[in-house]
Amino acid sequence: AQSVSQHNHHVILSEAASLELGCNYSYGGTVNLFWYVQYPGQHLQLLLKYFSGDPLVKGIKGFEAEFIKSKFSFNLRKPSVQWSDTAEYFCAVNARYGGSQGNLIFGKGTKLSVKP
Amino acid sequence: NAGVTQTPKFQVLKTGQSMTLQCAQDMNHEYMSWYRQDPGMGLRLIHYSVGAGITDQGEVPNGYNVSRSTTEDFPLRLLSAAPSQTSVYFCASSPGVPEQYFGPGTRLTVT
Repeated sequence: AQSVSQHNHHVILSEAASLELGCNYSYGGTVNLFWYVQYPGQHLQLLLKYFSGDPLVKGIKGFEAEFIKSKFSFNLRKPSVQWSDTAEYFCAVNARYGGSQGNLIFGKGTKLSVKP
Repeated sequence: NAGVTQTPKFQVLKTGQSMTLQCAQDMNHEYMSWYRQDPGMGLRLIHYSVGAGITDQGEVPNGYNVSRSTTEDFPLRLLSAAPSQTSVYFCASSPGVPEQYFGPGTRLTVT
């Protein structure tokens, strides 16, 4: 069965520190990859997505992610975090089977706390 | 566009009660789904629908029913609420499965 692993449950950083959140998935075929963010008390919002093409994807609010197919990874990065980035971040994978698409599989999430 | 709307925002039920969580979207999306979010578990798919009249089970369907009589609405029914169903429920819609738009969620407590 497909799965998504987010290795860090809770990350605490000071403002201006660099961020990298790990995401690995288990599926050998073609995938679509996503990072969603959930600010406290709010619903999930799409940060960025990868369907094909350039493996370095830029999203909103200065976030980017790199798809490394050989490592089955899609890590999220930001060079300098802000207090307003405090949120929970979810990696999600959608596997494509012979042209049709399966459902989104979510990781368990990583809570990011940014200290002012 | 209102996007994906969910009602109610909060609900408290007693064990054994039934209720329906409402979800509607005005984007004419064919695909709709229900997730539950529990601490440390991420989001888990309960049921989904690829179009009016078509529904299927996700990862955790037990205790929940769905139907899809129109493109816009996708209600989730709890037949006999249990404390294990205490969770935050999110509805999502998509023009195609890859990218999903989420509603604001319903926080359900079962006592």
